[in-house]
Amino acid sequence: DIVMTQSPDSLAVSLGERATINCKSSRSLLYSSNNKNTLIWYQQKPGQPPKVLINWASTREPGVPDRFSGSGSGTDFTLTISTLQTEDVAVYYCQQYYSTPITFGQGTRLEIK
Amino acid sequence: QLHLQESGPGLVRPSETLSLTCTVSGVSVSSSAYYWGWIRQSPGKGLEWIGSIYYSGTTDYNASLRSRLTLSMDTSKNQFSLKLNSMFAADTAVYYCARHREWAFPGWFDSWGQGILVTVSS
Repeated sequence: DIVMTQSPDSLAVSLGERATINCKSSRSLLYSSNNKNTLIWYQQKPGQPPKVLINWASTREPGVPDRFSGSGSGTDFTLTISTLQTEDVAVYYCQQYYSTPITFGQGTRLEIK
Repeated sequence: QLHLQESGPGLVRPSETLSLTCTVSGVSVSSSAYYWGWIRQSPGKGLEWIGSIYYSGTTDYNASLRSRLTLSMDTSKNQFSLKLNSMFAADTAVYYCARHREWAFPGWFDSWGQGILVTVSS
């Protein structure tokens, strides 16, 4: 199984500041057929299911604010929120879809400092 | 508009079988474009993929649950279902049904139900 490890487990950032969440996979997620990374980022707010933010490691879903960006390749990935807004308080998860079993990171809880 | 809704018991006794159904509206589960999946979320283990099913009946199960798990589909009702037997306390979780991204497996889950809390307790 591909193990996904996020860091940190929790993060407190001031409004308007940058938030950075890391995700590391136990093997490369680079898919040779399209030279893209099979990594997605979700945002989950209390009482709601996860919502897709970023797919293929760096492609924002339609409707997702451009303050959210994804980067990285191979085994190391980053979700960045450039200027934190109140509505960004949530738990963020990465997920690999290189192979089954589909696996998720343990989540990073983002709060306002 | 796509909508997924989980239904089933909120409480299951230890050693019993959990049966959950996901009712889909807005798209046919018979569509060849999509796999349909189950994911659960518990405080102890976070998000865990349970398994997925395709309209043809093809299934892919998480090996950790395979011996206890059966996924099925009822295209006449536009539903797919989960049966997990020999439930125990560690199976307590919020269970979600979800749709895989179009024309992709494994891919990611682009639409989710609201989830149903299942507690295993006597």
